[in-house]
Amino acid sequence: GAVVSQHPSRVICKSGTSVKIECRSLDFQATTMFWYRQFPKQSLMLMATSNEGSKATYEQGVEKDKFLINHASLTLSTLTVTSAHPEDSSFYICSARGGTAMYEQFFGPGTRLTVL
Amino acid sequence: GESVGLHLPTLSVQEGDNSIINCAYSNSASDYFIWYKQESGKGPQFIIDIRSNMDKRQGQRVTVLLNKTVKHLSLQIAATQPGDSAVYFCALRDFNKFYFGSGTKLNVKP
Repeated sequence: GAVVSQHPSRVICKSGTSVKIECRSLDFQATTMFWYRQFPKQSLMLMATSNEGSKATYEQGVEKDKFLINHASLTLSTLTVTSAHPEDSSFYICSARGGTAMYEQFFGPGTRLTVL
Repeated sequence: GESVGLHLPTLSVQEGDNSIINCAYSNSASDYFIWYKQESGKGPQFIIDIRSNMDKRQGQRVTVLLNKTVKHLSLQIAATQPGDSAVYFCALRDFNKFYFGSGTKLNVKP
């Protein structure tokens, strides 16, 4: 149980375009989802926290107009990178929490974004 | 934000030896700590957790030690195997969010 999927696993896009990444909890209802980004050989940096049906809370320094997060249902959250630039190239990972797991979060496999 | 750091960026051990990975944190109010394993190109995988009212917790081949006095967390892996090669992160919970340390790369030599 507690499986989280992400789609796509890899995406390459041109500079200036927008990219949407989906995060789904497959076998539980995720009341809270988190979005992280990870640069090569670095740690995970929390970008934002989203609760179903409400606006996401962004960490300091993360542009909410650039990284649009939608958590419209208890099983799906999306991250849209708008007007992507090469410096947005990174590994984006989501995690989800819900059900009886008060503390634990379950991670997706990540999405590798490359902006040309 | 929370400050979480690791003492060693890379740790090399011989197969069969025990591994110890350390982590320091700064927020004394943190009540929950987790160790994750991350293999290349994958998301983090939960290893073991510990709440702040405990100082030791054991799992299968892994032990987490928490010293709240010096704000230090460690992960011990017994009889390290090649499959344990990965990057290990500590993370702590601060209110409703989780913050990660910088990671230690564990290399297991056969």
